[in-house]
This record gives sequence, structure tokens and C-alpha cells, in this order.
Amino acid sequence: DGGITQSPKYLFRKEGQNVTLSCEQNLNHDAMYWYRQDPGQGLRLIYYSQIVNDFQKGDIAEGYSVSREKKESFPLTVTSAQKNPTAFYLCASSNGGSFYSNQPQHFGDGTRLSIL
Amino acid sequence: AQSVAQPEDQVNVAEGNPLTVKCTYSVSGNPYLFWYVQYPNRGLQFLLKYITGDNLVKGSYGFEAEFNKSQTSFHLKKPSALVSDSALYFCAVRVTLRDDKIIFGKGTRLHILP
Repeated sequence: DGGITQSPKYLFRKEGQNVTLSCEQNLNHDAMYWYRQDPGQGLRLIYYSQIVNDFQKGDIAEGYSVSREKKESFPLTVTSAQKNPTAFYLCASSNGGSFYSNQPQHFGDGTRLSIL
Repeated sequence: AQSVAQPEDQVNVAEGNPLTVKCTYSVSGNPYLFWYVQYPNRGLQFLLKYITGDNLVKGSYGFEAEFNKSQTSFHLKKPSALVSDSALYFCAVRVTLRDDKIIFGKGTRLHILP
């Protein structure tokens, strides 16, 4: 079955440590997204990528970095500069671009990141 | 600025009664509107969308939504609620100007009381 796989499901970060969250999709989608979810705040966009080797900052990119070397992969690194990283992180994909703008996003099941 | 509002943080409905989860939006141009549902510790699942045409859109699990252009609303409805409908619901609007992204509301927690 096609879908989005996020790993790990749970992740713990020590002080001063960078951690990387994995997101892989086999839907052949061009666009991929990273969201942060905090209770009562809904989803906030961290980064998104419309095509391989290109990505744009979302609303809360500070303290995060991404890469898009392959169409199916969009890993997110939470750096030590992100002082409040505890949250639920969701990866999504879609057929991007205005031509496909009526298509919904597909989501992975998330990674819950906590500070040790 | 483009935005989506869900005015209720929580909605309580008795099982078997009709339910409504409210959503209003503000966008330039024609909106592409979506509803998603999230169960605990899971990702969002697509329920339904409005692109154009009939203002009443039918989706998964018996849900439907009514697009009202004059009121800039896209309320989610179901004629008879089930306990299993209890979840977090998100309204979203797709913006395709220079960039292509979706703006989400803050979510409404739906409790169906047995």
C-alpha cells in the first residue's frame, strides 16, 4: 500500500543534541511538508518542499533544518538551537503545484519528540 | 492574510444526535477547502473537500460539509453521531499563489456522549 512512513514513533533529545526525524513516502508525490503540533495550537508549518533539491521555510523554521535529496525522502533535523522542541511532528505529502491544488495532503503517523 | 478559523475548541453531542463543527475562512480568490480528522497519536486523515460545484459535499464515514460563499463558511455535519466519531477535527484551506501550502485551523475536539 502507498503511504507515508515516519520514524521513530518516539524520540528523546538530550540538551545540546541534534536529532533527525525520518519521513519516507512511496506515493510519488512532488511536494512534502513538515508540521509541528502542540496542544491547542493546531498544525504549524515548519518547512516544505515542492520539488527535489528545493525547499522553503514555513512559519516556524528557526531551529530546524531539512534536506530533499530524493523525491521520496524529506528528513527533518531538530537542532540544539530549537529551545522548545517537545511536540508531535507530522510529515505530509501531496501532488504539489496549482495544477494539483485540489488534492488533499497525506499524513504519516507522526513522531513524538521529548526532552530528556 | 489567508486564514482559517474554528471558533469552538470543543463540541459535545449526544450519540444519535446531529453534529456540526464550524469553520470560517478568509482567502483571496476561490478557496479549496478540506476537512481532516485526527485520532490520538495518529496523523490526519482526509474526510472531504470542496473545490467547485455543488455546495453540499459528501465524504467519508457519513460526514458532509456545506460551502457557503456569502458567509465564507465550510461547516462539517453528520446527521447522526457515533461514539467512534469522537476525535480532533481540522478545517484547512489550500493557498496556491506563489507557493503551494495548506493553512489549518486550530482544530475542534468532538466528544460524542453515549
